[in-house]
Amino acid sequence: NAGVTQTPKFRVLKTGQSMTLLCAQDMNHEYMYWYRQDPGMGLRLIHYSVGEGTTAKGEVPDGYNVSRLKKQNFLLGLESAAPSQTSVYFCASRDNTEAFFGQGTRLTVV
Amino acid sequence: DQQVKQNSPSLSVQEGRISILNCDYTNSMFDYFLWYKKYPAEGPTFLISISSIKDKNEDGRFTVFLNKSAKHLSLHIVPSQPGDSAVYFCAARSLINTNAGKSTFGDGTTLTVKP
Repeated sequence: NAGVTQTPKFRVLKTGQSMTLLCAQDMNHEYMYWYRQDPGMGLRLIHYSVGEGTTAKGEVPDGYNVSRLKKQNFLLGLESAAPSQTSVYFCASRDNTEAFFGQGTRLTVV
Repeated sequence: DQQVKQNSPSLSVQEGRISILNCDYTNSMFDYFLWYKKYPAEGPTFLISISSIKDKNEDGRFTVFLNKSAKHLSLHIVPSQPGDSAVYFCAARSLINTNAGKSTFGDGTTLTVKP
């Protein structure tokens, strides 16, 4: 039982490059979320999805796009990476109560 | 406006003693509260939760207390063990409001349990 899997675990990007972070869950959850965590701060919601084919903005959506073409996958895209997007990114999916998190993706933009 | 606050960035306790982690919230629409634990280089994992219809929920060594009038909750760990050393996040959300179950997280408290 893999739970929530994020790919990749680490990545270094140059300013202006693009990339996609993949989140996959095998628990058949409707809700999926992308968060970022910066030092000394909590988890801030970037985008979320309430079901296949739906996405919505969270509290810090600028510079990111998402897609949920399949129920089990939630993709986070950076079209033109900026140093301010250096962070640890967590994906989560949720049942009726708790959220299940992936192991995180550490992204550095230089 | 930070709606969920954990005012203590860090806490250090001796093994076997009680750890008390605190969390305050401002949004009166929040009616479901969760605690997550996070080890370095791992994602957060769910620890314990409480609904606003209760004032206490217990699971083994972990107890969460909710004081709705004060908009305050606390996590008690008794007895504390070195393996409890981690960052603890408080989270809150509204079960009723149509906000897709989005949780708002505090900034976390780093707990260190000394042997």
